[in-house]
Amino acid sequence: KNEVEQSPQNLTAQEGEFITINCSYSVGISALHWLQQHPGGGIVSLFMLSSGKKKHGRLIATINIQEKHSSLHITASHPRDSAVYICAVGINTDKLIFGTGTRLQVFP
Amino acid sequence: KAGVTQTPRYLIKTRGQQVTLSCSPISGHRSVSWYQQTPGQGLQFLFEYFSETQRNKGNFPGRFSGRQFSNSRSEMNVSTLELGDSALYLCASGLMTGGYEQYFGPGTRLTVT
Repeated sequence: KNEVEQSPQNLTAQEGEFITINCSYSVGISALHWLQQHPGGGIVSLFMLSSGKKKHGRLIATINIQEKHSSLHITASHPRDSAVYICAVGINTDKLIFGTGTRLQVFP
Repeated sequence: KAGVTQTPRYLIKTRGQQVTLSCSPISGHRSVSWYQQTPGQGLQFLFEYFSETQRNKGNFPGRFSGRQFSNSRSEMNVSTLELGDSALYLCASGLMTGGYEQYFGPGTRLTVT
């Protein structure tokens, strides 16, 4: 069993829809990261969480430490949100363990 | 402030050769981590450096090595290249180590033929 599990693996949505991507982990962590990767490879760090909830524009990330679960929400989705979203957990120092990613496609 | 830079961006090597990849962190950042991304294995942690010391190492063979210089720039080296080493190699820098946000570079795409 992977230490970091993401669901769903693939997600399609119509523009404007509310999107949720889930991440569950089985190890003790120092922080949880949500990353975005566009075709071509570039990775952007969206959020780093150790508790509670963070919001940036249309993106919201929550984490429940007791349940070892995090969610990434995208409100009013847009085609430019199409990307792979990756959950990663920090284990000691800066070692990250990654989920397999969720490929999101938003259609106009 | 300039972002994380990686050189070269693309590289083609032959089996058995060695390669050195470079990463320049954001100015002021002292932590540099390296990751390998392949279609089969996804993203995997290679190593982490902080103040010229390797603090953590992933499960990769000894052919993979790295170092960090006093200006925080980091290099990773892969010797005796194998076809399976073809991957996108990403580095990320952070202000400090231990739960700080990491900023990723654009990556170096290595193809081994």
